[in-house]
Parts: sequence; C-alpha cells; structure tokens
Amino acid sequence: DIQMTQSPSSLSASVGDRVTITCRASQGISNYLAWYQQKPGKAPKLLIHVASTLQSGVPSRFSGSGSGTYFTLTISSLQPEDVATYYCQRYDRTPLTFGGGTKVQIK
Amino acid sequence: QVQLVQSGAEVKKPGASVKVSCEASGYTFTSYDINWVRQATGQGLEWMGYMKPHNGETGYAQNFQGRVTMTRDISTNTAYMYLSSLRSDDTAIYYCARKQFGEGMDVWGQGTTVTISS
Repeated sequence: DIQMTQSPSSLSASVGDRVTITCRASQGISNYLAWYQQKPGKAPKLLIHVASTLQSGVPSRFSGSGSGTYFTLTISSLQPEDVATYYCQRYDRTPLTFGGGTKVQIK
Repeated sequence: QVQLVQSGAEVKKPGASVKVSCEASGYTFTSYDINWVRQATGQGLEWMGYMKPHNGETGYAQNFQGRVTMTRDISTNTAYMYLSSLRSDDTAIYYCARKQFGEGMDVWGQGTTVTISS
C-alpha cells in the first residue's frame, strides 16, 4: 500500500507567519490529495481537494499545491483560529490512507 | 442542511460487537459514498472502508477485513458500520463521512465514541 508521510509532525509559529506543511506519497497519486483540519474535540473538516482546490467557505489564506508524490499545504498568514492538526489523505484508490498529521500551534 | 448524524456512545466488552449508525439528511443519500474513519485517543485518522449506498458495494481496509461490515437502509437514509470481535485497541471515536468520486470527504458525522472495557 502507498504510505503518506507528513512533515513536520508539529510546528509552532507566530501570528502572521507563513506556514508550510508537506505530504509525500510513497508512489504517485496524481492529484488525488485532500487536506483536512481537525480542531480538538471536533470532526475533521475538508480544506482542499484535488491537491489545490479550496473547499467552499475555506479562507483564502489556505492553499495547496503539488502532484504525483509531493504536496504542500500553506497558510499564508497564520491566525489564532488555525490552531489545529492537519492531515493529508490520498484518494486515488483504496485504501484512502491519511498522513500522520501535523499539529500547528501559536508561538 | 446537509448533515450526518451518528448514534450515541457505546461501551462494550472485549469479544463483543458494536453497530454504529449514520443518518444522512439534506442531500440525495445514494449520490455519495459513505466512508468510515476512526481515531484512537491522541492518535491520527485511520480509514476503515467505504460503502456505496446506491448498490451496497463495499471496500474495507486490510486491517479490518473479516471484522467489519458496512451496510445501509435506503428507506431511512442510514448507513451502518458493524465491528465484531472487539479488542481494547478498538477503543476510539468512529466517524462517518460522505464522499463523491474525485473529491474529498466533505461532510462528517459528529463521531461516536466506542469504549472497549472489561
């Protein structure tokens, strides 16, 4: 099965900072990659699908890029409400594997 | 509005089985796959499998093969996830989520806590 590896596993940044999270697939998955945000005690929320398409209602400071095996999620200006754990997920075929998650905190 | 509402928390003994329901509303139930994802306390997300409501087709993660069954009742727009031979490491929050081909999981249930304890 294809493995999804996220880095870093956690990060701490200041309000207003640009934050980038990477997700690598062990084999090519075209652009069938989604990003989710999960806040404590809540269900995950879809942010981005097909690697770079912003889900309706998601702030434009979030963006995604990549294809094949390398993907990034960028928050252009980190806000306090962005504190959460972020997960990537492949969905080119089953199993729909998630990355291990990246916990984002405010410095 | 579009929502998935899951059944309440469960406490089960090792070796028992659990059935979690996921009732869809606000959209055409048969137009979206229902996926099940679980999360142990402090851990990441684990995909369990999917079910296509329009024809009942299912696909399960290898870790759950032989122990999980996903079904649906179209008359009540409800999906079900049945997990048997429960172990302590099945203690987790179980989520259902809808998904269309080529897109991510855009609507999630609120989660159902399943606790396995003797």
